[in-house]
Amino acid sequence: GEDVEQSLFLSVREGDSSVINCTYTDSSSTYLYWYKQEPGAGLQLLTYIFSNMDMKQDQRLTVLLNKKDKHLSLRIADTQTGDSAIYFCAEGYMEYGNKLVFGAGTILRVKS
Amino acid sequence: NAGVTQTPKFQVLKTGQSMTLQCAQDMNHEYMSWYRQDPGMGLRLIHYSVGAGITDQGEVPNGYNVSRSTTEDFPLRLLSAAPSQTSVYFCASSDPPSGYTFGSGTRLTVV
Repeated sequence: GEDVEQSLFLSVREGDSSVINCTYTDSSSTYLYWYKQEPGAGLQLLTYIFSNMDMKQDQRLTVLLNKKDKHLSLRIADTQTGDSAIYFCAEGYMEYGNKLVFGAGTILRVKS
Repeated sequence: NAGVTQTPKFQVLKTGQSMTLQCAQDMNHEYMSWYRQDPGMGLRLIHYSVGAGITDQGEVPNGYNVSRSTTEDFPLRLLSAAPSQTSVYFCASSDPPSGYTFGSGTRLTVV
């Protein structure tokens, strides 16, 4: 079945790198996504990676995918206080209307 | 370009009442979905649509109906509201593979 797990909380100092981890059980997903949610707001798509890729870099964001271990990570370089939010990883299934299966979210707190 | 627009933003219902949450997108996306967000559980898929006239159930469809008569609109109907349906509801549209664009959400309380 589909199950996506994330650690609940991460605290870092401003300027440090943040690494948010995600594990999943179903390897049939087509894409894997990272979303950001600020308080009282909807979800903002940060980045995504095709399931046959290993890495994707987008400015301060680096996504690493280890298909063997079913492990996905999001690294945020030079973390800023504006990065404080909840981060969700999600698996996407193209054959089911690109449905997303979400993890429960990781709360990132950036201390100045 | 408005993206995905949800109305209302807030709603309080009494148990047993029915209502429709509205969702409209102006990006000409074929795929649309409804999710609910509950504390500690992430988002769960209620219903989705891959085009006008085509809908299917997601993970938690019971108590909800949807229809897709146009590409732009994807309303979610609560048939007989229950306290277990107290949640934040998000509508989203997608142009794969770039993922879903989410609306700002509807916070629903059922008393």
